Amino acid sequence: EAQVTQNPRYLITVTGKKLTVTCSQNMNHEYMSWYRQDPGLGLRQIYYSMNVEVTDKGDVPEGYKVSRKEKRNFPLILESPSPNQTSLYFCATVSSNSYEQYFGPGTRLTVT
Amino acid sequence: AQSVTQLDSQVPVFEEAPVELRCNYSSSVSVYLFWYVQYPNQGLQLLLKYLSGSTLVKGINGFEAEFNKSQTSFHLRKPSVHISDTAEYFCAVSVGNQFYFGTGTSLTVIP
Repeated sequence: EAQVTQNPRYLITVTGKKLTVTCSQNMNHEYMSWYRQDPGLGLRQIYYSMNVEVTDKGDVPEGYKVSRKEKRNFPLILESPSPNQTSLYFCATVSSNSYEQYFGPGTRLTVT
Repeated sequence: AQSVTQLDSQVPVFEEAPVELRCNYSSSVSVYLFWYVQYPNQGLQLLLKYLSGSTLVKGINGFEAEFNKSQTSFHLRKPSVHISDTAEYFCAVSVGNQFYFGTGTSLTVIP
């Protein structure tokens, strides 16, 4: 079954404590992406990756880092989280054939 | 930066009535267009997409959308809605390698 998995699904942390949200896909897609979803703002792209070792900033990259060392994994790193990064985060992949975007189940992050 | 405007944040509609959810985008270059649906506490699911060809696109669950290049619009329609269509709907645009989403329209189907 085609899947995008994210872990953890829920996370409560404190300001300044580094955290990583993992994302993994089993579809062999080259394109992967991270979004944050906030009420009234829709989804905004944080970072995306066209392939291994290739990453680019999206619309709201400040305060985030990513890496793409393997095709299947695309972790999101918050080195010093702040309360304004409290949000619902989605990882997604894109099929280069159909251009369909497949989303993970989401990670709800709360930074206090 | 590109922008995607969903003009209606909330749309209430009675069951079996038709509905149109509006979407306009700002790009003057070639774009790919998408509509996604999000049910409560779930991720997003693709409803339909326009990449090229016919401007009338049919998707899942009886939804369709029409691409209008001159008006830079991609409105979503369904001739008869069901209770199960209650959800959040997002219009999205792909320009180059980036994706831009609208702020969403909450569709509520009233019995």
